[in-house]
Amino acid sequence: EVQLVQSGAEVKKPGESLRISCKGSGYSFTSYWIAWVRQMPGKGLEWMGIIYPGDSDATYSPSFQGQVTISVDKSIRTAYLQWSSLRASDTAMYYCTRVYTGSLDPFDYWGQGTRVTVSS
Amino acid sequence: DIQMTQSPSTLSASVGDRVTITCRASQSIDSWLAWYQQKPGKAPNLLIHKASSLEGGVPSRFSGSGSGTEFTLTISRLQPDDFATYYCHQYKTHPVTFGQGTKVEIK
Repeated sequence: EVQLVQSGAEVKKPGESLRISCKGSGYSFTSYWIAWVRQMPGKGLEWMGIIYPGDSDATYSPSFQGQVTISVDKSIRTAYLQWSSLRASDTAMYYCTRVYTGSLDPFDYWGQGTRVTVSS
Repeated sequence: DIQMTQSPSTLSASVGDRVTITCRASQSIDSWLAWYQQKPGKAPNLLIHKASSLEGGVPSRFSGSGSGTEFTLTISRLQPDDFATYYCHQYKTHPVTFGQGTKVEIK
């Protein structure tokens, strides 16, 4: 069974750093792109970027380029999303997803989401 | 970026109704469109890809159509489990983009 299991909810202060994780199982982790999607409270879905675990090739949405870093450790089948300096506007639910086959494909499996709250 | 516009934003319907949601792209995306269902507090779930291909396990009352810039998601007979928010998603080109969502509410 394909599963993406994300790390737990986080409460942080503005300016703090954070890394959240997404562990894949039940499939060939290095063969499928992983995407990150943001959902701000009460709002829609926003694509942040993708990474290919096989070679760590990453592509970012222009809206998120320079704001976050997507990385992967294929030895432990885990993808990461990190911030060096959080802002209140980063408060959101973050989902990791598996991309169907190629880098441009629908998202067939989703993690349960990681809620990030940034507040002073 | 390709803009995706869904209509309506909210839809009130009754069990058994036929429901149609429209998604328009700001430029042609051929058939590179997916539809997702999201229930409160849950991750989205893929319903349809390539505009009209139903995912395994998705009830046949869901169907998708369209190509180019105009697409529809139809629920033939609305069931209680279908009250949720629906999103379209273009994956023709990066950055991939989503519609703003359509909330299907109980009338």
